[in-house]
Amino acid sequence: SQQGEEDPQALSIQEGENATMNCSYKTSINNLQWYRQNSGRGLVHLILIRSNEREKHSGRLRVTLDTSKKSSSLLITASRAADTASYFCATDADGATNKLIFGTGTLLAVQP
Amino acid sequence: DGGITQSPKYLFRKEGQNVTLSCEQNLNHDAMYWYRQDPGQGLRLIYYSQIVNDFQKGDIAEGYSVSREKKESFPLTVTSAQKNPTAFYLCASSRRTGPITDTQYFGPGTRLTVL
Repeated sequence: SQQGEEDPQALSIQEGENATMNCSYKTSINNLQWYRQNSGRGLVHLILIRSNEREKHSGRLRVTLDTSKKSSSLLITASRAADTASYFCATDADGATNKLIFGTGTLLAVQP
Repeated sequence: DGGITQSPKYLFRKEGQNVTLSCEQNLNHDAMYWYRQDPGQGLRLIYYSQIVNDFQKGDIAEGYSVSREKKESFPLTVTSAQKNPTAFYLCASSRRTGPITDTQYFGPGTRLTVL
């Protein structure tokens, strides 16, 4: 079952531009995480935002969370060609275990 | 070097054969997970383990088996009962178990191809 759905499915921008990806989910959560995956590699954790937080920053990353709309966004500012990757949001599966449910991802291509 | 390793990186299997994918972590994490990823798709949970000698089925456990005899190791066996095993398999670990989800640390993955 898919908890998170990312939008858009694919995004192509020029270096220096900002990239925004959105994630919608269905049930209440404790936290939401964003991960990055380079082609053919494992996932790398980017940022975790808790349900009582509205915004969080990490370097060029900015994540927002709107629990009333059950949505989150990931903003990458001043993008670089090295940011080219797939980006996934992940949310709690249930309250009893440390399970995550991943969305289908946004494929970001940053053109040099 | 702390981290999570998977081997082999590429694996080829003939139909009807069982194969075992290795996953080892030296992060002293309690929880470990196996995911399957198909092209252009997200991750789907196969099995997870929160403690040694215990594991639970995920969303797509049919045709797979696991063991957790040591904290550091969580091997996945893809059996001949798995009808469509060609996929990218990812192992992950996290520091603590539920109820609040924690950051997961991923290995580099094993790409399994059935010939």
